[in-house]
Amino acid sequence: EVQLVESGGGLVQPGGSLRLSCAASGFNFNNFWMTWVRQVPGKGLEWLAIMNQGESERFYVDSVKGRFIISRDNAKNSLYLQMNSLRADDTAMYYCARHNYISSVGDYWGQGTLVTVSS
Amino acid sequence: EIVLTQSPATLSLSPGERATLSCRASQSVSSYLAWYQQKPGQAPRLLIYDASSRATGIPARFSGSGSGTDFTLTISGLEPEDFAVYYCQQRSGWPPIFTFGPGTKVDIK
Repeated sequence: EVQLVESGGGLVQPGGSLRLSCAASGFNFNNFWMTWVRQVPGKGLEWLAIMNQGESERFYVDSVKGRFIISRDNAKNSLYLQMNSLRADDTAMYYCARHNYISSVGDYWGQGTLVTVSS
Repeated sequence: EIVLTQSPATLSLSPGERATLSCRASQSVSSYLAWYQQKPGQAPRLLIYDASSRATGIPARFSGSGSGTDFTLTISGLEPEDFAVYYCQQRSGWPPIFTFGPGTKVDIK
């Protein structure tokens, strides 16, 4: 069974940093691009970043480019999102997802981890 | 940037009825379109990819159609568990940039 479990969310002050993790199991993690998506509570979905298996290709939405970094450790079956210079409007639920089909962000999603940016 | 518009914003229907949800792109996305279902407190669930292909485990009552700028998600007979928010999402090609529509809420009439 494919499982994705996010962790690392919490309360952080504006300007601070946070590193999210996504632990993958039930599939060959090395074979898939992986992605991050966020959702402000009660609002819509925003795709953030995607990377390939070998970390040679990484792409970001403009709103996080230069502040967020997507990375992975294939030996640990883990995906990461390093978030720097956090702002109040980064407050959201953050999901990781497995990218399997060319058109869709992800076919399997984790349950999310909540990030709150507030003083 | 490609913008997706979904209509209607809310669709009020009874169980057993047919639901037709629309998604329009500001420019052609070919068939690079997906549909998701999201229930309160849950992650999105992929229903349709490549505009018309059902994802693994998705019931046949869900179908997708369209290409270019106009797409439709049809639920042929609403089950109680189908009342949820539905999002369309497009991919721009290369580089891979994805955007979501604002969603359509299907609620019980």
